Amino acid sequence: SYELTQPLSVSVALGQTAIFTCGGNNIETRLVHWYQQKAGQAPVLVIFRNQKRPSGIPERFSGSNSGNTATLTVSRAQAGDEADYYCQVWDGTNWVFGGGTKLTV
Amino acid sequence: EVQLVESGGGLIQPGGSLRLSCAASGFSVSTNYMTWVRQAPGKGLECVSLIYSGDTTFYADSVKGRFTISRDNSKNTLYLQMNSLTADDTAVYYCAVRGQLELDGFDLWGLGTMVTVSS
Repeated sequence: SYELTQPLSVSVALGQTAIFTCGGNNIETRLVHWYQQKAGQAPVLVIFRNQKRPSGIPERFSGSNSGNTATLTVSRAQAGDEADYYCQVWDGTNWVFGGGTKLTV
Repeated sequence: EVQLVESGGGLIQPGGSLRLSCAASGFSVSTNYMTWVRQAPGKGLECVSLIYSGDTTFYADSVKGRFTISRDNSKNTLYLQMNSLTADDTAVYYCAVRGQLELDGFDLWGLGTMVTVSS
């Protein structure tokens, strides 16, 4: 099955930019979705189809997908952005999630 | 208001069975792409079952032959029947819908229900 690789953690200072990577073989040919999960809460969709932002998600959240890496960028990071972030793709038979990256601000 | 509310979790002995329910409001489960996603304690997300395009279903290898996904249109509820449970099935189980609010992605999730398999 298709595998997605995410770093375990990312740490940024308040107001700086957090970059999350999601590695997969030729991932640029797939549509990538990103979820934010705060402690004790259900996941929330923050980016769909590589770069589209759902209603209500701040413009500080953006996404891209090229080559073997999809990227979620959170600009001007706030304390409230602390969470686990997961990437997701369809592998042809099921939805696959990356292992998740924990953001510390 | 659109929402999903799971129920049915609890403590169950190994080898036992549970049926999880996911009640939907504000939209119809019968015409939407629905999923059950679980998260073991301290671990990541795993999509264990899908139902879409009428009654097309899918199961992850980890639950195939033991879990059954279904929906009751009259009650607007999604179910997950779980049999032959093991400790590896211990997790929070979320139901979610694809493309309800946006074009794609699982954009609406329930709060989850905890299943603990232990003697």
